[in-house]
Amino acid sequence: QSVLTQPPSVSAAPGQKVTISCSGSSSNIGNNYVSWYQQLPGTAPQLLIYENNKRPSGIPDRFSGSKSGTSATLGITGLQTGDEADYYCGTWDSSLSAGGVVFGGGTKLTVL
Amino acid sequence: QMQLQESGPGLVKPSETLSLTCTVSGGSISSYYWSWIRQPPGKGLEWIGHIHYSGSTNYNPSLKSRVTISVDTSKNQFSLKLSSVTAADTAGYYCARGRYYYGSGSYYSWFDPWGQGTLVTVSS
Repeated sequence: QSVLTQPPSVSAAPGQKVTISCSGSSSNIGNNYVSWYQQLPGTAPQLLIYENNKRPSGIPDRFSGSKSGTSATLGITGLQTGDEADYYCGTWDSSLSAGGVVFGGGTKLTVL
Repeated sequence: QMQLQESGPGLVKPSETLSLTCTVSGGSISSYYWSWIRQPPGKGLEWIGHIHYSGSTNYNPSLKSRVTISVDTSKNQFSLKLSSVTAADTAGYYCARGRYYYGSGSYYSWFDPWGQGTLVTVSS
């Protein structure tokens, strides 16, 4: 059971927009910054979003992040078949004895 | 461009110690934090812990009693040891550079870049 809650799967057609939610609590998302990762099939995760809404260089602006209260959202516009992947949110959790990073269970994106 | 590469045995016997090394190239390990993250087959990510180049560590409480992360700045490497392994420790193990900051009452944390990962199977 993951500390952060994500929907197991989402789907949308090419060219459409999709959002992926990540729900937590005041000890994690509510008071700390969120990052998002894309894991293409058979590969390592790759950083998509950090500090809630910042994109590393090389990540297209089709990907966006936001946070409100104890939830965060990843948005992907102009969906492409190459976006089919698992997506994970992560953040610091201050409730752990010395603090530590927690992840969501992951969301599988299918581009129909 | 910084790159990370995991190395170590792909098969470990139950009750033994899993040992992995991550070699950092394209940059110095003498900055930042260095992390280990694992992913059981078909499941999600689990943070194992991290080490600062100075040697300070922080571990996931659920694994703390069995985990040791160390750093060798002379070799630009950091390592993971996980003792008394069971089948539940079978997973893909990733090393990553961790970015951690604290400011204005909040923690900032993210991982970038990641190694390609290595699958470790615990079986007799």
